[in-house]
Order: sequence, then C-alpha cells, then structure tokens
Amino acid sequence: DIVMTQSPDSLAVSLGERATINCKSSQSVLNSSNNRNYLAWYQQKPGQPPKLLIYWASTREYGVPDRFSGSGSGTDFTLAISSLQAEDVAVYYCQQYYVSHTFGQGTKLEIK
Amino acid sequence: EVQLVESGGGLVQPGRSLRLSCAASGFTFDDYAMHWVRQVPGKGLEWVSAISWNSNSIDYADSMKGRFTISRDNAKNSLYLQMNSLRVEDTALYYCAKSGCSSTTCYTNHWGQGTPVTVSS
Repeated sequence: DIVMTQSPDSLAVSLGERATINCKSSQSVLNSSNNRNYLAWYQQKPGQPPKLLIYWASTREYGVPDRFSGSGSGTDFTLAISSLQAEDVAVYYCQQYYVSHTFGQGTKLEIK
Repeated sequence: EVQLVESGGGLVQPGRSLRLSCAASGFTFDDYAMHWVRQVPGKGLEWVSAISWNSNSIDYADSMKGRFTISRDNAKNSLYLQMNSLRVEDTALYYCAKSGCSSTTCYTNHWGQGTPVTVSS
C-alpha cells in the first residue's frame, strides 16, 4: 500500500500570508506512460464533505480560486495558498489514486 | 447540478449487515466511476471502495475486502455498498463520491453529505 504523509499536522498563518502544506508518498505516484502524477488535494470545512481543489498534482478544479496551487512530482508534493483568506480555514487532505486510493492524515489550517 | 444523496445508515449490532444507497442526479451516471469514502467524526478520510462505470473494475481497501461489496445500477442512477460482518471500528460517516473519470484510478470531484453508520451492541 502507498502511505501518504502530510506535514505539518497543523498550521497557523496570518491573513494575507502564504500557506504551504506538504505531502509525501511512500512510493512514486508518477505514471511514466502519460507523465501524470496521480495526486489530488481536498479541502474540508467543519460539517461539510470534502471539496476537490487540485488533481493530477497541479490542475486546479473549475471554480477554485487561483490562490490555490499544487506542485511536485514523484513522491513529494505541495499545496500552496498564496494569500490566506478567512474562508480558507479548513482541514486539507492529499490523496493518491495511482495504486488503489489512500489519503494523507490531514493538515488543519488556522488563522494566526 | 450534481447531487449525491446517501441513505441506509443507522445503528446496527456487531456482526450484522447494512446496505447503503446513493442516489445520483445532475450528470450522466454511467459515464463515471463511483466511490465510497468514510470518516470517523473528528478524524481523517478513509477510502473504502470504487467501481468503474460499467462495473468491470472494482477495488476495495484491504480492511474491507471480503466484508463489503460495492455495486451500481446504471438504469436507476444508483450506487450501493453492502456491508457484512460489521465491526465497531466500521462506525463512521459514509460518503458517496463521483469520480472525475470512467475508471477507478481517478480523483473524486463531487461528494454527498454522507450517511452515518453506528456499530454498537
């Protein structure tokens, strides 16, 4: 099984500042035949289901603000929020879908 | 608008069975794979199972293999999860989720509100 490890577990960032969350997979999720990384990022606010933010590691889902961006390849990935807004307070999860599916443990993002 | 509405959750004794359903609307159901994902309140997400558009490809998390069965009825725009030999640790909110692709090796781009399952004596 591929294990997904996020860091940090929690993060406090000031409004307007940059937030970055890291995700590391125990083995590569890059498919060399199509050069795609099978990695997605989700945002979950209290009392709500998860919402897809990023897929194929760096493709922003339709309607997601462009302050959200995804990067990385192989085993190391990053979700960045360029200028934190109050509505971005949530738990963020990475997920690999290359070999079955596994989620990271989640990163709780708060306002400092 | 994509809508996914789960039902069938409830309180069940350990060792018993439960069948969850998910009614889908707002998209062409038989074009997409579908997933079940669960979440213990206050904890993280745990992927459960996925089924391709034509039911030819099915996958389960290791801890659910042999106990849970995913299925779909494209004529009824419905997804199901048959859960047998339930354990206390299966207690969670169960989400139905739509894939972004027809195959199971894909992200999920729409989620229902979930149906709660409590396994307790």
